[in-house]
Amino acid sequence: QSVLTQPPSVSAAPGQKVTISCSGNSSNIGSNYVSWYQQLPGTAPKLLIYENNKRPSGIPDRVSGSKSGTSATLGITGLQTGDEADYYCGTWDRSLNAEVFGGGTKLTVL
Amino acid sequence: QVQLVESGGGVVQPGRSLRLSCEASGFTFNNFGMHWVRQAPGKGLEWVAAMWYEGGKNHYTDSVRGRFTISRDSSKNMLYLKMNSLRAEDTAVYYCARDLSPHPYYFYGMDVWGQGTSVTVSS
Repeated sequence: QSVLTQPPSVSAAPGQKVTISCSGNSSNIGSNYVSWYQQLPGTAPKLLIYENNKRPSGIPDRVSGSKSGTSATLGITGLQTGDEADYYCGTWDRSLNAEVFGGGTKLTVL
Repeated sequence: QVQLVESGGGVVQPGRSLRLSCEASGFTFNNFGMHWVRQAPGKGLEWVAAMWYEGGKNHYTDSVRGRFTISRDSSKNMLYLKMNSLRAEDTAVYYCARDLSPHPYYFYGMDVWGQGTSVTVSS
């Protein structure tokens, strides 16, 4: 059971928009920055969003992040087949003194 | 370029030990916190341990505390994970990752990841 809660799967058609939610509590999302990671099959995770809504260089602006209270959301517009991957949210939990991840969301582009 | 390369994985019997290494290059290693993250076959990401400076406070997930030790040698740009009393449930790909926080002793997320090294615990 993951500390952060994500939907196991989401799907949408090419060109459409999808959002992935990440729910936590006041000790983690409520008091720390949220990051989002993309993991393509057989590869290492890649940072997509940091500090709730910032994109590293090379990440397109069709990828966005937001945070409100104890929840965070990843958004991807203009979906492409290459976006099919597992997506994870993560943050530091100050009660556990540990980094915590969501269970991951598998994105399918139909 | 900024890079992390793990090594030291393999097949090991339950109860035995293993040390993983992670060589950093392309950045000032001593300026960053570092993590170990693992992923069991077919499962999600699980954070294992993190540290900033040798001699500072290290952090561990409950399931490895007392068995695993994270350490670093900044003179060699190396991060280590010494794993003792290994169990079948420690079987996973282990990634080292760099933290992006500019503030020592804070952890903001992981911006650089290695390719991972596989550990299998089996008799």
